[in-house]
Amino acid sequence: QVQLQESGPGLVKPSETLSLTCSVSGGSIYNYYWGWFRQPHGKELQWIGWIYFSGNTNYNPSLKSRVTISVDTSKDQYSLKLTSMTAADTAVYYCARYFDAGRRNYVDVWGNGTTVTVSS
Amino acid sequence: EIVLTQSPATLSLSPGERATLSCRASQSVSNFLAWYQQKPGQAPRLLIYDASKRATGIPARFSGSGSGTDFSLTISSLEPEDLAVYYCQQRDTAPETFGQGTKVEVK
Repeated sequence: QVQLQESGPGLVKPSETLSLTCSVSGGSIYNYYWGWFRQPHGKELQWIGWIYFSGNTNYNPSLKSRVTISVDTSKDQYSLKLTSMTAADTAVYYCARYFDAGRRNYVDVWGNGTTVTVSS
Repeated sequence: EIVLTQSPATLSLSPGERATLSCRASQSVSNFLAWYQQKPGQAPRLLIYDASKRATGIPARFSGSGSGTDFSLTISSLEPEDLAVYYCQQRDTAPETFGQGTKVEVK
């Protein structure tokens, strides 16, 4: 069964750029939508954005000016870049896969999550 | 963006009891609503999608209902392992949004 694994730094300095990668194993990256979410400690989940295997993207308007999601199908990976990090961006970051439910897609597979702290 | 409001914030019940969780949307989301279970220290798990369809491998004690703006998740007979926070999510209109969660405590 498909598994997702986030990788990247656990600590980022204010104003710097966060770079995270999600590695897909046990399944194909093709023909799926792949997403990024985050969850500040004790708070609800927030959608960051998604990318289709072909490269089409959609971002949360609240983060759109700072977010880039890209995909590398040759490596079965996709990545998140979030610029100008502040303390408010401290959270657990999850990568996730959407499945096609017909009229909409829903997330059915999640990575374990990686904690990102913004601090000098 | 569409705001989802969940109630109650916390639900404390004994094993075997019925749990009913509510999710109300600020505008209609048709039936494009999902429920996720998140246990402490774990990633979310999809329980219900399209308001009432159980995801693969989800026990029959979990059921969802509703459409438009009012939705509910019912756990027919609470098990100790159902201790978790439950979130609703709408997929009707971008950006997709989540409720603030209902914490289910098992006495």
